[in-house]
Amino acid sequence: GENVEQHPSTLSVQEGDSAVIKCTYSDSASNYFPWYKQELGKRPQLIIDIRSNVGEKKDQRIAVTLNKTAKHFSLHITETQPEDSAVYFCAASSEARGNEKLTFGTGTRLTIIP
Amino acid sequence: GAVVSQHPSRVICKSGTSVKIECRSLDFQATTMFWYRQFPKKSLMLMATSNEGSKATYEQGVEKDKFLINHASLTLSTLTVTSAHPEDSSFYICSARRVSGVHEQYFGPGTRLTVT
Repeated sequence: GENVEQHPSTLSVQEGDSAVIKCTYSDSASNYFPWYKQELGKRPQLIIDIRSNVGEKKDQRIAVTLNKTAKHFSLHITETQPEDSAVYFCAASSEARGNEKLTFGTGTRLTIIP
Repeated sequence: GAVVSQHPSRVICKSGTSVKIECRSLDFQATTMFWYRQFPKKSLMLMATSNEGSKATYEQGVEKDKFLINHASLTLSTLTVTSAHPEDSSFYICSARRVSGVHEQYFGPGTRLTVT
């Protein structure tokens, strides 16, 4: 089955600086890669996603890049703000597998230092 | 749109009893719902995939007789933890997928189960 690895597990960034979180996946059939933000005790919220037919997607301060050849994708947050502090999860799924279930990475705890 | 609710948000039960958790898609029909378990400071672990009108598909290592899943309608799935033990204490989260073939999953707020 699919295996998703995520690094780093914790990340502290000065407010205003950029944060980058990286994930790798194992199944070349995976074609959908969402990123979720989860605040303590709350539900995961989809912040951005990318499909395998594009290499980059941007939404204001958030961007995701995908390298299908290397099987890795990254989340980039620019001009970080204190409210960006949360746990971020990457995930991968494959329509080809028939049930589109998500395999999650282990999470990155991002702390923005004021 | 795409709101998913869960009930209850917190529950405490005694060992040996059963607990039912409901997951509802409030403003859309969900052909597929997913049940996850999340330990403190850990990732989401998929327990089972629930399709409306059919039996749930359980992940390896998840006991189907212990975690009963019913997806009786396009807006409701239930997870029943039977004969609960303290090690079943966890954060249980459901998600719903709007239409078959579309990847996006929308998560419920989660249910914190404590078994004493």
